[in-house]
Amino acid sequence: AQKITQTQPGMFVQEKEAVTLDCTYDTSDQSYGLFWYKQPSSGEMIFLIYQGSYDEQNATEGRYSLNFQKARKSANLVISASQLGDSAMYFCAMREDLLTGGGNKLTFGTGTQLKVEL
Amino acid sequence: GAGVSQSPSNKVTEKGKDVELRCDPISGHTALYWYRQRLGQGLEFLIYFQGNSAPDKSGLPSDRFSAERTGESVSTLTIQRTQQEDSAVYLCASSPRWVGELFFGEGSRLTVL
Repeated sequence: AQKITQTQPGMFVQEKEAVTLDCTYDTSDQSYGLFWYKQPSSGEMIFLIYQGSYDEQNATEGRYSLNFQKARKSANLVISASQLGDSAMYFCAMREDLLTGGGNKLTFGTGTQLKVEL
Repeated sequence: GAGVSQSPSNKVTEKGKDVELRCDPISGHTALYWYRQRLGQGLEFLIYFQGNSAPDKSGLPSDRFSAERTGESVSTLTIQRTQQEDSAVYLCASSPRWVGELFFGEGSRLTVL
């Protein structure tokens, strides 16, 4: 099974609207971390937001928030008030087994291409 | 600069040649990662270094791929006898410890003709 699944290869949103990018994950670990990265056309990977599996509150960073539903194993990214500069590829990623030090690599999903339109 | 530095930014080579890609992590970051990103694809884990521990090589696709890191400094990824399917962007990332976000370099774009 895929560790990280992003089912939306492409999304469109109008400027100033909110958009939700879906991410589901698969793990049997109790301690794990979920990340979202943005990759503009320039290619750099930009860290956006992090959610730990034991965090009770949903993570927020400015216009980004993570809708964490542990029982459903979903970690959707919500971008509020979309801007043209938000147009990019967005990757969800997971780090497992944090407590025992096995959480080394991030496993990435296939990404969602977001296009913000006027 | 203070970020992860990779070189070369672009490399075009002929099939069968060896290539070496370099990564200079953020100073003080003990963890270093290599990922491969083929065109239009996600990131594929290759190898991970953490301090002086044995590296996690579980993502290396074949024995043509190898990587080294001296202490907590520069790493080199070597691809021997390159094939056309090796064409991709090779991304290096570092982090201050084994948890937390990764800080990525801008990548080395490899094209094998």
